[in-house]
Amino acid sequence: KAGVTQTPRYLIKTRGQQVTLSCSPISGHRSVSWYQQTPGQGLQFLFEYFSETQRNKGNFPGRFSGRQFSNSRSEMNVSTLELGDSALYLCASSLTANTEAFFGQGTRLTVV
Amino acid sequence: EDQVTQSPEALRLQEGESSSLNCSYTVSGLRGLFWYRQDPGKGPEFLFTLYSAGEEKEKERLKATLTKKESFLHITAPKPEDSATYLCAVLRGGGGADGLTFGKGTHLIIQP
Repeated sequence: KAGVTQTPRYLIKTRGQQVTLSCSPISGHRSVSWYQQTPGQGLQFLFEYFSETQRNKGNFPGRFSGRQFSNSRSEMNVSTLELGDSALYLCASSLTANTEAFFGQGTRLTVV
Repeated sequence: EDQVTQSPEALRLQEGESSSLNCSYTVSGLRGLFWYRQDPGKGPEFLFTLYSAGEEKEKERLKATLTKKESFLHITAPKPEDSATYLCAVLRGGGGADGLTFGKGTHLIIQP
């Protein structure tokens, strides 16, 4: 059974640009969550999608957005990148909301 | 606000030296407590879910326990390959999907 797949694995962007990250969940999983991981703040919840609907959002500015497609694949977008957005972005999938979450390998975003 | 505090921040053990990692939490209505293992540059790997006080789960050299205020991850006769960062996370009960609230983790090093 394939795990959670995130693409790309590494990304370097310039301040002010925007970026789109992709996540393919485990087959059959309908819930996809996104997290930001930094050395200082640890893992922080960004948002969660279930059946193409955003169910909740963490305490992040509106520059961070996402969506989920009918096949449960999800994308997150960060606009007007700032240096502080440099982080490991992790996607997690679960059968339904509030069950065990399985993480992908993450996308390492570096903003220069 | 949900809070998760893990201690110690770092722990260095000799191979075969058993110990315990602590996760103290404050959450409004615990739906579940999760333990993950994370290796450098990778996404968190799911280990255990605990749902109610008194529950215990085991996997190889690891055993997780839960009380109303904290959880312990006991490591028995660890091996160098158990070296990793161990993360604890809680999921709040209620109608919404609020995402996991993570602790900062315990960085465990097992020396041969």
